[in-house]
Amino acid sequence: GENVEQHPSTLSVQEGDSAVIKCTYSDSASNYFPWYKQELGKRPQLIIDIRSNVGEKKDQRIAVTLNKTAKHFSLHITETQPEDSAVYFCAASIRAGGYNKLIFGAGTRLAVHP
Amino acid sequence: NAGVTQTPKFRVLKTGQSMTLLCAQDMNHEYMYWYRQDPGMGLRLIHYSVGEGTTAKGEVPDGYNVSRLKKQNFLLGLESAAPSQTSVYFCASSYSTMGGRGETQYFGPGTRLLVL
Repeated sequence: GENVEQHPSTLSVQEGDSAVIKCTYSDSASNYFPWYKQELGKRPQLIIDIRSNVGEKKDQRIAVTLNKTAKHFSLHITETQPEDSAVYFCAASIRAGGYNKLIFGAGTRLAVHP
Repeated sequence: NAGVTQTPKFRVLKTGQSMTLLCAQDMNHEYMYWYRQDPGMGLRLIHYSVGEGTTAKGEVPDGYNVSRLKKQNFLLGLESAAPSQTSVYFCASSYSTMGGRGETQYFGPGTRLLVL
């Protein structure tokens, strides 16, 4: 079946450094790629998303890039802060039964050390 | 505007017992989803609904049933709980699944289920 692979599974950085999380997807028809942040004990919350007709999107310190040819997309966090520490999930849409559903990656646990 | 809510927050079951998890949303969303979250496996779709009175299977539907009798509610049932169903269950909803901001899925706070 369709899947999304996410790397790395854990990432540790110093405050102020950049963090990059990468995902690859298998369905060439996928056209929507959201990223969710989940703090400990909380619900996943959307932080940024990108569509297949766009190569890059930026929102303050976070950005997402998409390479449709290679079927991979990445999350970039610059100037990391301790409050960025969380688990980050990527997802890709797949079409089934006339509707889009999301397939999620396994998650990346990001730790930002002061 | 409460968004997506789930009850209960936490439950302990014995093997073979049954229970129902309730998800409610007040955003008039058409689409609703049930996921389970296990360590190292991300979020996996159990069942979903594309409108009142409709349900469909996701990636891991075995052992679960769902119902969507009202647009705002989506129920997840476990008829005979097994230890393998120990997990955190998240409900989500979206306005649509096809393009635009309506595709964003909003998650509930989760239900932590332990099956002994």
